[in-house]
Amino acid sequence: GAVVSQHPSWVICKSGTSVKIECRSLDFQATTMFWYRQFPKQSLMLMATSNEGSKATYEQGVEKDKFLINHASLTLSTLTVTSAHPEDSSFYICSASWAREGTEAFFGQGTRLTVV
Amino acid sequence: KQEVTQIPAALSVPEGENLVLNCSFTDSAIYNLQWFRQDPGKGLTSLLLIQSSQREQTSGRLNASLDKSSGRSTLYIAASQPGDSATYLCAVRPGANSKLTFGKGITLSVRP
Repeated sequence: GAVVSQHPSWVICKSGTSVKIECRSLDFQATTMFWYRQFPKQSLMLMATSNEGSKATYEQGVEKDKFLINHASLTLSTLTVTSAHPEDSSFYICSASWAREGTEAFFGQGTRLTVV
Repeated sequence: KQEVTQIPAALSVPEGENLVLNCSFTDSAIYNLQWFRQDPGKGLTSLLLIQSSQREQTSGRLNASLDKSSGRSTLYIAASQPGDSATYLCAVRPGANSKLTFGKGITLSVRP
């Protein structure tokens, strides 16, 4: 299957700082990328959908000014957690897909964010 | 609103057993259905993708079936191994580039 690379795999940051997470599609052009958050022993919660070259669409209840998403190219999307707080500590996962018949979603390996 | 249900939430079986994981969805108007595996602390690995026009897909010891009219899919694992221990999630997509709706997953433990 296609490869989606997410970086970093884990990060620890101080409260009040910002953290950027990258999601790259390595062997295909991703017209759409999705960002999820996962709490312990819970399923994935979709945060936002981003299409290359346009603004992200955020799910209800997700603060767009706190979770900045940029999808500047067909192979790269970034999620920046601004002014991080301990309650932002979570597991963040990106997914990439492209519009073709048989669209299949491929996921990154996830980023464990800990805010101290 | 689409809802995806996976029951039971957890399952423990002895090694070598054949098993079936169930997934049901409320809206049959889906574009495709995908089964994933997630190991603790890791991302999701795509196992099988079934298009709405297909009835089943196979990969190695895995076989996934789809019955759109009844809103059901099953993931069959043959001759289970301890390495199959993980959480298995199913997800449905309503359109070609639409977001996935996930079930909560089934945590499988295969005992040696």
